[in-house]
Amino acid sequence: EVQLVESGGGLVKPGRSLRLSCSASGFTFGDYGMSWFRQAPGKGLEWVGFIRSKPYGGTTEYAASVKGRFTISRDDSKSIAYLQMNGLKTEDTALFYCTRLQYLRGYVDYWGQGALVTVSS
Amino acid sequence: DIQMTQSPSTLSASVGDRVTITCRASQNINLWLAWYQQKPGKAPKLLIYKASSLESGVPSRFSGGGSGTEFTLTISSLQPDDFATYYCQHYNNYSFFTFGPGTKVDVK
Repeated sequence: EVQLVESGGGLVKPGRSLRLSCSASGFTFGDYGMSWFRQAPGKGLEWVGFIRSKPYGGTTEYAASVKGRFTISRDDSKSIAYLQMNGLKTEDTALFYCTRLQYLRGYVDYWGQGALVTVSS
Repeated sequence: DIQMTQSPSTLSASVGDRVTITCRASQNINLWLAWYQQKPGKAPKLLIYKASSLESGVPSRFSGGGSGTEFTLTISSLQPDDFATYYCQHYNNYSFFTFGPGTKVDVK
């Protein structure tokens, strides 16, 4: 059974940093890209970024709203994906979801339960 | 960038109703369209990919259709478990993932 478990969320002041982790199990982690999405309270879904699997270069892409502030990385030996968030803004307050990416098919097929990030002074 | 719209924003229906949600793209997106269901307090769940392919384990009362700029998600006979918010999602190699604003299906 595919499982994705996010951790590392919390309350942080504007301008500070936070790192989310996504622990994966139930599939060969290194074979898949991983993507992060977020959902602000009461709002819709927003793509944050993704990292391709190593066979596809292990490269990353980001939404314009987070580019230059957020960094996605992966440790295939531990089956963990990370979302490093720097320079957090109040508008980054959201539930952040880790997902498994079907890279060549254009969708995500499994979602974690989400990690809440609250940016407030 | 390609924009995605959905209609209606809210749909009130009863158990057993046939329900159709429409998603429109601002440009031709061929079949690069997926549908997700989200219930309150839960993560989204993939229902349909490539416009009309049913994800494994999803009930056959869900179906997707369309191509180009207009797409539909149809629930043939609404069940109690189907009251939720539905999102369409497009992918391309430029702006990557774009979601529609969502359609909430609630009890009539």
